[in-house]
Amino acid sequence: KNQVEQSPQSLIILEGKNCTLQCNYTVSPFSNLRWYKQDTGRGPVSLTIMTFSENTKSNGRYTATLDADTKQSSLHITASQLSDSASYICVVSESYGGSQGNLIFGKGTKLSVKP
Amino acid sequence: ETGVTQTPRHLVMGMTNKKSLKCEQHLGHNAMYWYKQSAKKPLELMFVYSLEERVENNSVPSRFSPECPNSSHLFLHLHTLQPEDSALYLCASSQDVKGGNTEAFFGQGTRLTVV
Repeated sequence: KNQVEQSPQSLIILEGKNCTLQCNYTVSPFSNLRWYKQDTGRGPVSLTIMTFSENTKSNGRYTATLDADTKQSSLHITASQLSDSASYICVVSESYGGSQGNLIFGKGTKLSVKP
Repeated sequence: ETGVTQTPRHLVMGMTNKKSLKCEQHLGHNAMYWYKQSAKKPLELMFVYSLEERVENNSVPSRFSPECPNSSHLFLHLHTLQPEDSALYLCASSQDVKGGNTEAFFGQGTRLTVV
């Protein structure tokens, strides 16, 4: 069964600190992996997207990594800010005849950044 | 602002009421989606429309009825809901349903409470 598991479920860090969120998946065949940020009560917004051949991708203070062999991804947040407080959702897309297929969502990691 | 607008943002309805959720996208996309997000659960895909034609219906109860009059608008008609239907309902759009690394853009969501 295709699944996406995220850890930790929740995380509290102090402003200015770094943190790393994990995503493990069993989706096959694999097309791509995205990280979304979802502020409370709002819709998710895409941070990064990675395909099979990409190992790392950055978007400002966010850096995502992908190990397609072990089916693991991480999202590293550098020098956290209060505005980083949100849920971070890992989304893996099945491959469908060489194109993107169904999206499999993780439950998300709820990050709280404290002053 | 992702280009996908949902109204209303909040809705409280009784179990005997009939209401509708509205979604509008200004991105020129061909595909639109309804998702349900319950507490501590991954996003659940409800319906998929491609070029105004429903292409997927994930065993959603008939008390939820989608309508897509054109490629820019999507509705979710609600009637005789149950308290367990209380959730955040998210609309999304993408260029196409399947193809390359097409990204889903989400609206802000409608927070629905059934009393």
